[in-house]
Amino acid sequence: AQTVTQSQPEMSVQEAETVTLSCTYDTSESDYYLFWYKQPPSRQMILVIRQEAYKQQNATENRFSVNFQKAAKSFSLKISDSQLGDAAMYFCAYRSFNEDQFYFGTGTSLTVIP
Amino acid sequence: NAGVTQTPKFRILKIGQSMTLQCAQDMNHNYMYWYRQDPGMGLKLIYYSVGAGITDKGEVPNGYNVSRSTTEDFPLRLELAAPSQTSVYFCASSYSRGPGETQYFGPGTRLTVL
Repeated sequence: AQTVTQSQPEMSVQEAETVTLSCTYDTSESDYYLFWYKQPPSRQMILVIRQEAYKQQNATENRFSVNFQKAAKSFSLKISDSQLGDAAMYFCAYRSFNEDQFYFGTGTSLTVIP
Repeated sequence: NAGVTQTPKFRILKIGQSMTLQCAQDMNHNYMYWYRQDPGMGLKLIYYSVGAGITDKGEVPNGYNVSRSTTEDFPLRLELAAPSQTSVYFCASSYSRGPGETQYFGPGTRLTVL
């Protein structure tokens, strides 16, 4: 089974500042997908951003961007201009190109301080 | 579209009881998944389905059963409930496993086994 590690159980950021959430993963495969999901207090998981491993360019979605380092097996999420609504649990997830199963990390709880 | 719906939202079971968690999606998605989320942990895959009539085990299938008789519905059956099955259960769906694939999650079911 693949493993996804999020080493920061909790993070905090001042409103309007930038924060980076870390994620590393372990795989022997070359083709896969990586995702960041947000889980607000409502519990419903929401896709934030995804990255295909074959793409060298880092994915961006408005204020959210990733730093994908394939050789280092690292996939960090940067949130710019943090807003109060960004407060949530953030999960990193991995999916092999050849499998149907997702693997999730243990999550990082993000607090946004007004 | 209602998206992915789950019922019930909450349930308390006694040890040894059985129940079915319902999941339905109205997006004509082929892929459906059941996850459990234990406190402080990421999601772990219980079962998944790649289409009507086809199901397969995930990481933690013991104590559960699934069926997929229609594209829309993917119920999860708990037989002989045990305290270790106390968790939040999420159902998810996706159209495909291709590069554009995204999982859409339901709101979750919080199950307590006493």
